Amino acid sequence: EAGVTQFPSHSVIEKGQTVTLRCDPISGHDNLYWYRRVMGKEIKFLLHFVKESKQDESGMPNNRFLAERTGGTYSTLKVQPAELEDSGVYFCASGRASSYNEQFFGPGTRLTVL
Amino acid sequence: AQSVTQLDSHVSVSEGTPVLLRCNYSSSYSPSLFWYVQHPNKGLQLLLKYTSAATLVKGINGFEAEFKKSETSFHLTKPSAHMSDAAEYFCVVRETGNQFYFGTGTSLTVIP
Repeated sequence: EAGVTQFPSHSVIEKGQTVTLRCDPISGHDNLYWYRRVMGKEIKFLLHFVKESKQDESGMPNNRFLAERTGGTYSTLKVQPAELEDSGVYFCASGRASSYNEQFFGPGTRLTVL
Repeated sequence: AQSVTQLDSHVSVSEGTPVLLRCNYSSSYSPSLFWYVQHPNKGLQLLLKYTSAATLVKGINGFEAEFKKSETSFHLTKPSAHMSDAAEYFCVVRETGNQFYFGTGTSLTVIP
């Protein structure tokens, strides 16, 4: 079975630009999570989808971040406009509906804002 | 409140010697605990998890961890390090909600 995939693997943008990160979960996984690791810090939760619905977005840092999961399959995370402090690695994870303990992670997208 | 402390940011061991990566947690409930590993340019891979069954948990690649409630610890061990074990390791806790709480990571170097 294919794992969680994320695109792009790296992105370098200027401050003020917009970037969209994509996550394709494992097929059939209703749960989809976004996490972020800022340089030198721990990986932190951003939000959680169940199918196409946002179950929990308590970790989203501010309204410059917009996550969507139209159709309940892949998800996008848009940062607009990007700021320097948004630099970091963005991870996506997916899991089946039956358990929050099951989270399969993708390789992450490394975002650098200059 | 949940939190995870990985006591060492870097650990170096010689190939063939034991590995010990330390993790302490704080939790108001009976937590689920995990260890994940990340090799360079790879995703986070689950090594093992504790979810209230046996306190000694065996994982992949010869790793194991023991849940000690009295010490609030979940240290990761391996009897004999291999070069391929060089990676970053994350201790993770989950209580009742959907969020994983990560430690800051321990970078393991294996010296030939």
